[in-house]
Amino acid sequence: SAVISQKPSRDICQRGTSLTIQCQVDSQVTMMFWYRQQPGQSLTLIATANQGSEATYESGFVIDKFPISRPNLTFSTLTVSNMSPEDSSIYLCSVRDPRSYEQYFGPGTRLTVT
Amino acid sequence: GNSVTQMEGPVTLSEEAFLTINCTYTATGYPSLFWYVQYPGEGLQLLLKATKADDKGSNKGFEATYRKETTSFHLEKGSVQVSDSAVYFCALLAGNNRKLIWGLGTSLAVNP
Repeated sequence: SAVISQKPSRDICQRGTSLTIQCQVDSQVTMMFWYRQQPGQSLTLIATANQGSEATYESGFVIDKFPISRPNLTFSTLTVSNMSPEDSSIYLCSVRDPRSYEQYFGPGTRLTVT
Repeated sequence: GNSVTQMEGPVTLSEEAFLTINCTYTATGYPSLFWYVQYPGEGLQLLLKATKADDKGSNKGFEATYRKETTSFHLEKGSVQVSDSAVYFCALLAGNNRKLIWGLGTSLAVNP
């Protein structure tokens, strides 16, 4: 299994500003994912961030709004840019073991935009 | 396309009751199936999985059997505890893009 930490755990931000969320994994992993989860709802995949390639964004998510960096096999950042109240959500970092297909999740970053 | 349909909640049970949370899927090929659990205030955790037909995943007293003939992966537990109160998500992994497809989640509350 993998242990994932995220920073910050929560933040309250003003409309129009940007927040960068950091994800640190305790082992080297190729496949990393960023999700969004509204409280009490299911997960929505934002993008897949594999090391060595550009992030692949899902429909409805664009790089200008959610730029992602993946400088190495243990770290990634997701930036939420030009925030609006609709961006208020929990953002989750996740990695997958390519052999077992098991996926592990960080504790999440709870973002509130006012 | 691939999809997961999960029983709607919330589900409320008394301690020691039998639990079933239904999950059915639509997928091309031979997907892997998962149940994830999210305890209050905690992150998502893998509960159990099954990677081929007739496999049974089990963990913490929970079980689910991969039924290809009925395209189902129902979660069961014979005797629930208050500590099982959580949100349970069914998910599948299939297709060339290998993207996890999630159910909407089922909230379970177990009363003492």
